[in-house]
Amino acid sequence: GENVEQHPSTLSVQEGDSAVIKCTYSDSASNYFPWYKQELGKRPQLIIDIRSNVGEKKDQRIAVTLNKTAKHFSLHITETQPEDSAVYFCAALFAGSARQLTFGSGTQLTVLP
Amino acid sequence: EAGVTQFPSHSVIEKGQTVTLRCDPISGHDNLYWYRRVMGKEIKFLLHFVKESKQDESGMPNNRFLAERTGGTYSTLKVQPAELEDSGVYFCASSQGAQGRMDTEAFFGQGTRLTVV
Repeated sequence: GENVEQHPSTLSVQEGDSAVIKCTYSDSASNYFPWYKQELGKRPQLIIDIRSNVGEKKDQRIAVTLNKTAKHFSLHITETQPEDSAVYFCAALFAGSARQLTFGSGTQLTVLP
Repeated sequence: EAGVTQFPSHSVIEKGQTVTLRCDPISGHDNLYWYRRVMGKEIKFLLHFVKESKQDESGMPNNRFLAERTGGTYSTLKVQPAELEDSGVYFCASSQGAQGRMDTEAFFGQGTRLTVV
């Protein structure tokens, strides 16, 4: 079935450094890839998304890259701040009749002051 | 504008009991989804409503789970009888995408943490 793998499961960085989280997906026809951030005790919130017709998208300190050939996409956070600490989930929308989001297992990012 | 709301926020029940979770989506969102996260694992799809109709319920684990969305507004997810492995956080999400599409932003509720003891 459809599968999204996410790495690493935990990531600690010093404040000001960059953080990169990577995901791979199984269905080459997938066409939508959102990233969600879930702070402790709060709901998952969309922070950035990318569609399959685009290779990269940036929003201030956050960027997402997509390699359709290799079937992987990555989240890049630059100049990390303590408030970036959260669990980050990648997801992929698989084509076909189902068309629901399949999520990765999450990455606990800790930004150390 | 109110976001997606879920009730209760926490529920602790004994094995064999029944629990009903409720989700109120954002007003006007036809798409409503239920997801579940078991400790430390991925957020797994359970089912998808378009208005009052079940578009896809392929993620429902077994017939102990029953979801309804009467009138196409709020939704309930009932677990009867609950088992230990049902413990986890149940998320509801809604989106505005046309024709059941989910490639528009899905807004999540805060989740219901269910613990079965």
